[in-house]
Amino acid sequence: KAGVTQTPRYLIKTRGQQVTLSCSPISGHRSVSWYQQTPGQGLQFLFEYFSETQRNKGNFPGRFSGRQFSNSRSEMNVSTLELGDSALYLCASSVLSGRTLYEQYFGPGTRLTVT
Amino acid sequence: DAKTTQPPSMDCAEGRAANLPCNHSTISGNEYVYWYRQIHSQGPQYIIHGLKNNETNEMASLIITEDRKSSTLILPHATLRDTAVYYCIVRPHSGNTPLVFGKGTRLSVIA
Repeated sequence: KAGVTQTPRYLIKTRGQQVTLSCSPISGHRSVSWYQQTPGQGLQFLFEYFSETQRNKGNFPGRFSGRQFSNSRSEMNVSTLELGDSALYLCASSVLSGRTLYEQYFGPGTRLTVT
Repeated sequence: DAKTTQPPSMDCAEGRAANLPCNHSTISGNEYVYWYRQIHSQGPQYIIHGLKNNETNEMASLIITEDRKSSTLILPHATLRDTAVYYCIVRPHSGNTPLVFGKGTRLSVIA
C-alpha cells in the first residue's frame, strides 16, 4: 500500500507571496492532519480534516488554511508569507473508524523556504 | 503543551538494546502512550502504542509501569539506522485530539 505523499517536496517563495501544499493520504484513510516543524518550535499541529470538514485547529493565524476533497486529498494554503513560515510542513493520515482514532502515518514533508 | 518528559539525548552501542525512558505522571485513564521517531529530514514514523499492558511488535517493545506514570521504549538490537529523535506522546485513543510532540530524545547509535 502506498504511503502518504506530499507535493512539492521543496519550495522557495518570497515574502508576501502565497503557497499551496498538497497531501494525498494512504488509500482508505479519511483523516488528514497538518503539522509545521521548525528548529525553534518543534512539531506543531496546524489542523485536521475528516470528510471534508475541519475537525481541529491549532494555534496558528488565519493566514494558514486548508481544505479536504471528497477523495480525502488535502491542501493547505499559506497567504502573505513571512520569513518565519520557513519550515517543514508535514501531513499525516489516519483511519477514523467510528470513534476510534488509529495511529497517524506521516508523509515525507514539504520543505518551504521563504526569502 | 506536551504531557511527557524525556531525556534530550542518549547514546547506544550498535547491537545493544536501546532503552528510552518517558515520564507521563499526569496521564489520564483514557490516554494511551504512543511512540514515534523521526529520522533526519523525514516525517515521523509510528513505532508502537499501549494503554497499560506491555506491547511488542516487529520494531520495538513498550514497557508501561503499573501506575502508568512512566514507560520505556526498547529497541532490542539497535542499528545505525535507528539513529533518530524519538517522541513519546500521550493522548486518548478515541476522539480527534491531535498529537502533541515534545522535544523528544535524540538517540545516537554508535558503531
